[in-house]
Amino acid sequence: GAVVSQHPSRVICKSGTSVKIECRSLDFQATTMFWYRQFPKQSLMLMATSNEGSKATYEQGVEKDKFLINHASLTLSTLTVTSAHPEDSSFYICSAKGGEGDTEAFFGQGTRLTVV
Amino acid sequence: GQNIDQPTEMTATEGAIVQINCTYQTSGFNGLFWYQQHAGEAPTFLSYNVLDGLEEKGRFSSFLSRSKGYSYLLLKELQMKDSASYLCAASDSNYQLIWGAGTKLIIKP
Repeated sequence: GAVVSQHPSRVICKSGTSVKIECRSLDFQATTMFWYRQFPKQSLMLMATSNEGSKATYEQGVEKDKFLINHASLTLSTLTVTSAHPEDSSFYICSAKGGEGDTEAFFGQGTRLTVV
Repeated sequence: GQNIDQPTEMTATEGAIVQINCTYQTSGFNGLFWYQQHAGEAPTFLSYNVLDGLEEKGRFSSFLSRSKGYSYLLLKELQMKDSASYLCAASDSNYQLIWGAGTKLIIKP
């Protein structure tokens, strides 16, 4: 299957700082990337969908100014958590999909963010 | 509205068979996915069904009934490493995935 690499896998940051998470498709062109967060013992919650070269579409309740998403190329999308607070501590996961005919989205390894 | 239902937790014995059910209601339908997720890790793909019937892949099989909005994941010859959460996700008319809350499967020796 296709490979999606997410980096870093774990990050600890101080409250008020910003953290950038990268998601790369290594062997295919990802026209669409999805960003999820997952709290302990809960399912994935879609935060936003981004298509290469256009602005991300955010789900209701997700602050676009706080969670900045950039999908500048067909192989890279980034999520920046700005002015992080302890309540932003969570597991963030990206997934990537190729063209419209592709049914399966491939997941990155996830990033465990802890804000102290 | 769009909704996915699956049991919260199930327990089974090593070597046995377990069936995890999932019912869904979506705006349009473009297939049903099953993912396995171990604690602290990202989900890994198990199966995809878009046509009615049973798809078998080794010890895992997945079934879909579109008319009933129902799917199940069948795990045979259970191993301890199968202890994980199993996520059901339906693809809607926009190819967005609607996720269930996951079923935590506990395997006992």
